[in-house]
Amino acid sequence: NAGVTQTPKFQVLKTGQSMTLQCAQDMNHEYMSWYRQDPGMGLRLIHYSVGAGITDQGEVPNGYNVSRSTTEDFPLRLLSAAPSQTSVYFCASSPPTGNTGELFFGEGSRLTVL
Amino acid sequence: AQSVTQLGSHVSVSEGALVLLRCNYSSSVPPYLFWYVQYPNQGLQLLLKYTSAATLVKGINGFEAEFKKSETSFHLTKPSAHMSDAAEYFCAVTGGYNKLIFGAGTRLAVHP
Repeated sequence: NAGVTQTPKFQVLKTGQSMTLQCAQDMNHEYMSWYRQDPGMGLRLIHYSVGAGITDQGEVPNGYNVSRSTTEDFPLRLLSAAPSQTSVYFCASSPPTGNTGELFFGEGSRLTVL
Repeated sequence: AQSVTQLGSHVSVSEGALVLLRCNYSSSVPPYLFWYVQYPNQGLQLLLKYTSAATLVKGINGFEAEFKKSETSFHLTKPSAHMSDAAEYFCAVTGGYNKLIFGAGTRLAVHP
């Protein structure tokens, strides 16, 4: 049971570089989302998707892009990395059974921007 | 707007002692409330959830939480702490379809 898979687990970038954090789930979940976790701030929603072809902004979307071309994949793109984007990023998905709020999380991607 | 406040960023208990992690919420609509646990270097996993059924909710690993509307609280308890309970715990409230608003987290330490 793979669940939610995130790659890479660790990444170091220089300011201004771009990269994509990958997220894939094999549970046929319609809902997928990206959170960032910072000390003392809990998790904050970056972007989310309620199905293939549909994305929307969360609480802290600036500096990030997403797309959802398939049900399985939901990549997060940083176009020009900034030190403020140093964080741990979590991808999560939820089954198509309504607003249950039960999210299944990946193991996280730790990003450092120098 | 919905929000969550977790009182105490760090809680330390002895093994076998009561665990009490505090969570207060603010919501303009009847809330769905959750507790998630994060073990070191892992993602979050659901401990328990309140979805307007029974006010006392039982979760995994012996944890339970009671929804108290009059106090806008959803505190997490466990009668007897175990070393394996050491982790970070997050309270959350729904902010729309499957969108969770998380508290800042409480790190639980359990010492022998």
